[in-house]
Amino acid sequence: ELKVEQNPLFLSMQEGKNYTIYCNYSTTSDRLYWYRQDPGKSLESLFVLLSNGAVKQEGRLMASLDTKARLSTLHITAAVHDLSATYFCAVIGAGKSTFGDGTTLTVKP
Amino acid sequence: GAVVSQHPSWVICKSGTSVKIECRSLDFQATTMFWYRQFPKQSLMLMATSNEGSKATYEQGVEKDKFLINHASLTLSTLTVTSAHPEDSSFYICSGRDRDSYEQYFGPGTRLTVT
Repeated sequence: ELKVEQNPLFLSMQEGKNYTIYCNYSTTSDRLYWYRQDPGKSLESLFVLLSNGAVKQEGRLMASLDTKARLSTLHITAAVHDLSATYFCAVIGAGKSTFGDGTTLTVKP
Repeated sequence: GAVVSQHPSWVICKSGTSVKIECRSLDFQATTMFWYRQFPKQSLMLMATSNEGSKATYEQGVEKDKFLINHASLTLSTLTVTSAHPEDSSFYICSGRDRDSYEQYFGPGTRLTVT
């Protein structure tokens, strides 16, 4: 059974600071996703990572994938309040997505 | 990106009644649709996977007679919550997998409250 673990689960940080969210998964997978969810809303796709060493960046967010370590990271650079949300990683296994527990990020001024 | 719509976006119903939620892929054909449930401050839990024209595959612990899923066409899947109870109150999200790109797109969700 595929297991996906995120940490931390909750993160409070000040504007302007950097931080990394980690996503570990238990079995081989050929793709990994990062999503953002705002309160009361559905998922917004941020990144899809398809191969070992893949790195994608959009604004202040950068995601990377190490398939050998079964680890993905979502790095936040110079956080701003607008990034406050819950972030999920999801791994495809057996044709379906398994989600991590989510990381709720609060960025304070 | 591709668009998935859900209807209704929110619904309040009385205990014991049934509620149907529709999920449509608007600009792509979805051979596979997924239904998720999300309780407050929790992650998405997959309820079932449906392939067009065949019976849905339910995850362990999900009652197939209570959560009826129909996927009659490549653009429409429905989830019917039968004899709803307050513990069924949740945020239900569907997702369609594009037949061509194999990418998965999520609907906006339906918030169900059973009183």
